[in-house]
Amino acid sequence: DSGVTQTPKHLITATGQRVTLRCSPRSGDLSVYWYQQSLDQGLQFLIQYYNGEERAKGNILERFSAQQFPDLHSELNLSSLELGDSALYFCASSVGQGVYEQYFGPGTRLTVT
Amino acid sequence: GDSVTQMEGPVTLSEEAFLTINCTYTATGYPSLFWYVQYPGEGLQLLLKATKADDKGSNKGFEATYRKETTSFHLEKGSVQVSDSAVYFCALSDRGNDYKLSFGAGTTVTVRA
Repeated sequence: DSGVTQTPKHLITATGQRVTLRCSPRSGDLSVYWYQQSLDQGLQFLIQYYNGEERAKGNILERFSAQQFPDLHSELNLSSLELGDSALYFCASSVGQGVYEQYFGPGTRLTVT
Repeated sequence: GDSVTQMEGPVTLSEEAFLTINCTYTATGYPSLFWYVQYPGEGLQLLLKATKADDKGSNKGFEATYRKETTSFHLEKGSVQVSDSAVYFCALSDRGNDYKLSFGAGTTVTVRA
């Protein structure tokens, strides 16, 4: 158990819908990272937050957004969902910003039908 | 930009066989290198890491040495067990890339009794 929690574990929704994925980092960790794992794209970095502020952006679509709240949990919002958004979404946390170990949550499996 | 190339799988071995998974990288700066493992149905776990040239990371019988001259970080284990069956990801983190993890495509390893 990494100490990072993600909810829900599974999500099935229809095209055009909007969903919110939630992540709680390990106690004491200030950085949260979101990654997408799909068969065709592999593991891709989406976005990082550090202590409530966005710090880095990767291959994140404009239909996707995220935020980190004062209690340090983070939410990833996916809207206007398409079939191609079906993937595993992982959250990871680390102590700070830098070359710190990232601890991954169990992931949320999103299926868009 | 940063990138990681690792040998394609799947790899199938018998118990007690020697395992090598090749990994090479491209980075503009001086990255830190990681191996993550993903067991079926689970999130990623950090297996080992190395933060500078000639460092050797080791954990659970696995080893990898950071070779700057060949830009490589090959994973090895002398005697695999059935419980080592998993997907292995090589990754790097670089200050010039906001410390996000860039992953290789993953190598599926199956160990047969």
